[in-house]
Amino acid sequence: AQSVTQLDSQVPVFEEAPVELRCNYSSSVSVYLFWYVQYPNQGLQLLLKYLSGSTLVKGINGFEAEFNKSQTSFHLRKPSVHISDTAEYFCAVTETGANNLFFGTGTRLTVIP
Amino acid sequence: NAGVTQTPKFQVLKTGQSMTLQCAQDMNHNSMYWYRQDPGMGLRLIYYSASEGTTDKGEVPNGYNVSRLNKREFSLRLESAAPSQTSVYFCASTLNVNTNYGYTFGSGTRLTVV
Repeated sequence: AQSVTQLDSQVPVFEEAPVELRCNYSSSVSVYLFWYVQYPNQGLQLLLKYLSGSTLVKGINGFEAEFNKSQTSFHLRKPSVHISDTAEYFCAVTETGANNLFFGTGTRLTVIP
Repeated sequence: NAGVTQTPKFQVLKTGQSMTLQCAQDMNHNSMYWYRQDPGMGLRLIYYSASEGTTDKGEVPNGYNVSRLNKREFSLRLESAAPSQTSVYFCASTLNVNTNYGYTFGSGTRLTVV
């Protein structure tokens, strides 16, 4: 069965510092992986996705993620964060042929001025 | 603007009352979903509709029913609300279940059951 673990529930980071939000998944078959962002009182927006091909995926707002099959990870990174990046970030996984996404419990990123 | 529209945005119910959460999308998507979001638990799937005329249970279907009214609309009904159903509810849609374009989410309905 597929599942997603986001190891950090909260990540505080100073403005212009780099950040990494961790995501690990479990699945016995091929997967597709996603990162979503949720700003306060809003729905979720797609940041980036990995379907196949290059393991380094670039998304919106300067975020990128790297798929590591051997470590079953899909960590999200940004080299320099802004105040506006303060939000909750969700990792999600689906298996090929599956009908829905499974979400992690989320990581709240707080950017400190 | 194209997207997923949810109504109402906020609702307070008394225990035992019923209500229907509405969701509509105008992107010609075939698949639609209802999730609930609770602190520390992420998003959990309640029901989904892979295509018009079909619905299936997700991870937490108890206490809910759904109707895929047409291709655009997918409603979620609470027949007898309980405090445990206090949550934020999100509707989402995607082109097809297996295409993995990613989901488009509505802005949510914040439901409180007292």
